[in-house]
Amino acid sequence: GQQLNQSPQSMFIQEGEDVSMNCTSSSIFNTWLWYKQDPGEGPVLLIALYKAGELTSNGRLTAQFGITRKDSFLNISASIPSDVGIYFCAGRSATGANSKLTFGKGITLSVRP
Amino acid sequence: GAGVSQSPRYKVTKRGQDVALRCDPISGHVSLYWYRQALGQGPEFLTYFNYEAQQDKSGLPNDRFSAERPEGSISTLTIQRTEQRDSAMYRCASSFTARETQYFGPGTRLLVL
Repeated sequence: GQQLNQSPQSMFIQEGEDVSMNCTSSSIFNTWLWYKQDPGEGPVLLIALYKAGELTSNGRLTAQFGITRKDSFLNISASIPSDVGIYFCAGRSATGANSKLTFGKGITLSVRP
Repeated sequence: GAGVSQSPRYKVTKRGQDVALRCDPISGHVSLYWYRQALGQGPEFLTYFNYEAQQDKSGLPNDRFSAERPEGSISTLTIQRTEQRDSAMYRCASSFTARETQYFGPGTRLLVL
């Protein structure tokens, strides 16, 4: 099935560093979401974006909805050890009333103390 | 608890057997979703319900997969005549209404031998 493009698959950063993750699609989405998944748990919503160009922050997290509606990025500032996990982007289609989400493959983030 | 719950958390079955996976959504949530997540991948949409009505089943891989939500609350995903390729994490999510935040359960890890 279709998935959004996230790369690289893994990222390794030092505690205190900033990190940015990108997500792209060949299709237009009218909602972009960023989820974090911890081991043994389901994905948890971090940030939701509803409008092209929108820039939204949630604490140390900032995410933007791309102008073309085909991409989004997530930035984590001043990383801490509990930021470790898998970060998924997800999009909701622009067409109709379909509320299903399409996910990327995820980026595994490791933070070195 | 207040979150989405799923049972069983782990299921090991022999090829050819039928399995039934249960999802108990957050109380009052109208919309319920089933996703499948393979190792190293993001969740992939299977089907979703508003109340008891199945709105979209386009993600179900084949006719061995079916889902129901007869009273608009608990849902069951059934896989008949399981095959090894069905092995994956099966996640359920619910939202207050369609297009609102989806809250994910911990998943059922299915292993078909």
